[in-house]
Amino acid sequence: NAGVTQTPKFQVLKTGQSMTLQCAQDMNHNSMYWYRQDPGMGLRLIYYSASEGTTDKGEVPNGYNVSRLNKREFSLRLESAAPSQTSVYFCASSEGTGGSSNQPQHFGDGTRLSIL
Amino acid sequence: GESVGLHLPTLSVQEGDNSIINCAYSNSASDYFIWYKQESGKGPQFIIDIRSNMDKRQGQRVTVLLNKTVKHLSLQIAATQPGDSAVYFCAENISGTYKYIFGTGTRLKVLA
Repeated sequence: NAGVTQTPKFQVLKTGQSMTLQCAQDMNHNSMYWYRQDPGMGLRLIYYSASEGTTDKGEVPNGYNVSRLNKREFSLRLESAAPSQTSVYFCASSEGTGGSSNQPQHFGDGTRLSIL
Repeated sequence: GESVGLHLPTLSVQEGDNSIINCAYSNSASDYFIWYKQESGKGPQFIIDIRSNMDKRQGQRVTVLLNKTVKHLSLQIAATQPGDSAVYFCAENISGTYKYIFGTGTRLKVLA
């Protein structure tokens, strides 16, 4: 009963390097999300995907790209990492469809990313 | 584990006592609310939710109260146990959207 699985769990990058954070869910959920969590702040939405084949920007999309590879997988890419992107990144999924959610989001255990 | 909130408000309770954690939400258009528990080094874990057509909802040892008049949400944990020690935060979903607004959280410490 894995739920939402994120890889890697930890990563250290140098400024300017690129990397992709992977996320997969096994709950057959339609919607998937990427958030970042910084000290003293609530989770902030980077990108979301309401259904397979669609993606939309969230609150803080600059410097990131996403791919909804299939219904299970939603990846987040940093093309040129910057120290300001040091954070904990969480992927989530929910059953919500259409234009509203009203369903709880289920989270992975995060990727701790440090950019030097 | 990493600190997800360096200056979070902290609630300390004795084991076996009841805990009440409060949250003020921000958007009058929000119609769905969730409480999450986050342990160190882990992702947020769903505890309980409530829709705006309800004032109260009960789960196992937990109760959520919603006061739409003052935009206030509370989480009550009965007979608090050491395993309840974690950061708790609320989330609100703006009606008709995928947008969730997350609170910064309250750290609950259970004293033996």
